[in-house]
Amino acid sequence: GAVVSQHPSWVICKSGTSVKIECRSLDFQATTMFWYRQFPKQSLMLMATSNEGSKATYEQGVEKDKFLINHASLTLSTLTVTSAHPEDSSFYICRLGLAGEETQYFGPGTRLLVL
Amino acid sequence: GEDVEQSLFLSVREGDSSVINCTYTDSSSTYLYWYKQEPGAGLQLLTYIFSNMDMKQDQRLTVLLNKKDKHLSLRIADTQTGDSAIYFCAESYGGYNKLIFGAGTRLAVHP
Repeated sequence: GAVVSQHPSWVICKSGTSVKIECRSLDFQATTMFWYRQFPKQSLMLMATSNEGSKATYEQGVEKDKFLINHASLTLSTLTVTSAHPEDSSFYICRLGLAGEETQYFGPGTRLLVL
Repeated sequence: GEDVEQSLFLSVREGDSSVINCTYTDSSSTYLYWYKQEPGAGLQLLTYIFSNMDMKQDQRLTVLLNKKDKHLSLRIADTQTGDSAIYFCAESYGGYNKLIFGAGTRLAVHP
């Protein structure tokens, strides 16, 4: 069965609204989760590393005030796209960060379309 | 910084073998991975190789790792139309296996 779930799987919103995406670990307690973004026909780009109980670490070029990450528990990390614009339309995928694990667990992804 | 490169496109005939190549830069990578992504879908882990291995075989899949040249390849034997997808290689680094992905190779299988 699924190890990581994401909700919602699809979201369409108007420009200027905020969208929250949840990433839930079903089988593991994850102190670290990673958030990726994938534009059409492009690779996955790491956006940020989410750490339970502390501030997320953002990759260069990713606006922390636009992509708010909250990792309040060992099983849930949320990514909020604030004041979304059409250029934020993308496929957002989370991944569990499990030290020493050769098998990587990704969420199924959330497809965001901003009109 | 860390970088992973792949050729962008590969076309093969059904039944032939496919070889997808990847180069990476971080010599301290612990694991190297191959993922498959079908249109509109998430990532599917195909296989991985530990950095101290040279080769790993898993049914139709063979992974070769040349650590000296930082070169990774994925061979798919008897390629089928269902293998048509984008294949990503990824290297891990950092304590929690931070993954860096290549751009992906689009495999097209034709009759």
